[in-house]
Amino acid sequence: DVKVTQSSRYLVKRTGEKVFLECVQDMDHENMFWYRQDPGLGLRLIYFSYDVKMKEKGDIPEGYSVSREKKERFSLILESASTNQTSMYLCASSSTGGYTFGSGTRLTVV
Amino acid sequence: QQQVKQSPQSLIVQKGGISIINCAYENTAFDYFPWYQQFPGKGPALLIAIRPDVSEKKEGRFTISFNKSAKQFSLHIMDSQPGDSATYFCAAVNFNKFYFGSGTKLNVKP
Repeated sequence: DVKVTQSSRYLVKRTGEKVFLECVQDMDHENMFWYRQDPGLGLRLIYFSYDVKMKEKGDIPEGYSVSREKKERFSLILESASTNQTSMYLCASSSTGGYTFGSGTRLTVV
Repeated sequence: QQQVKQSPQSLIVQKGGISIINCAYENTAFDYFPWYQQFPGKGPALLIAIRPDVSEKKEGRFTISFNKSAKQFSLHIMDSQPGDSATYFCAAVNFNKFYFGSGTKLNVKP
């Protein structure tokens, strides 16, 4: 089974802090994705990557950046956290067909 | 503009009943329609999926009905059980880019 591991289950950060969310997958997938999940809004794509050092903006990239230095690792960066970035963040990877999601990181910005 | 519209937002069903969740899309280029199931504290997991060349796919108690002309597809859960209580997301896929519905929170009463 593909495993997608998100390093933190819960995070509490202060407004203005730089925040790193880490995601690692163990099946050599090319494609990796970051979503945020909010009640009533479903899953919204922040950024995705089809290869190492490659990134593309999703639907809501403002306030976020990403890094993919190695194939198995895809990091989401909040340059200056704000309270409206309080959310559940989900990482996913895929090859052809299906996604595999991590368990999510619930981030609270205070 | 939301690419995939999902309804209802929440659903309460008695044990043994049929749960029905509906999704609609506009883009005829979508070529893969998966459903994901998410339990609290977990990431979404692939439940069942269909391609537009068939009108129905059944796996155990879960069935996808697909109406290409109406651009609609639905998930039917037969003999719903309390263990089916979860949030369900439909998705539509084009070129490995996923567009998710807003989710349906299903509660199956014992």
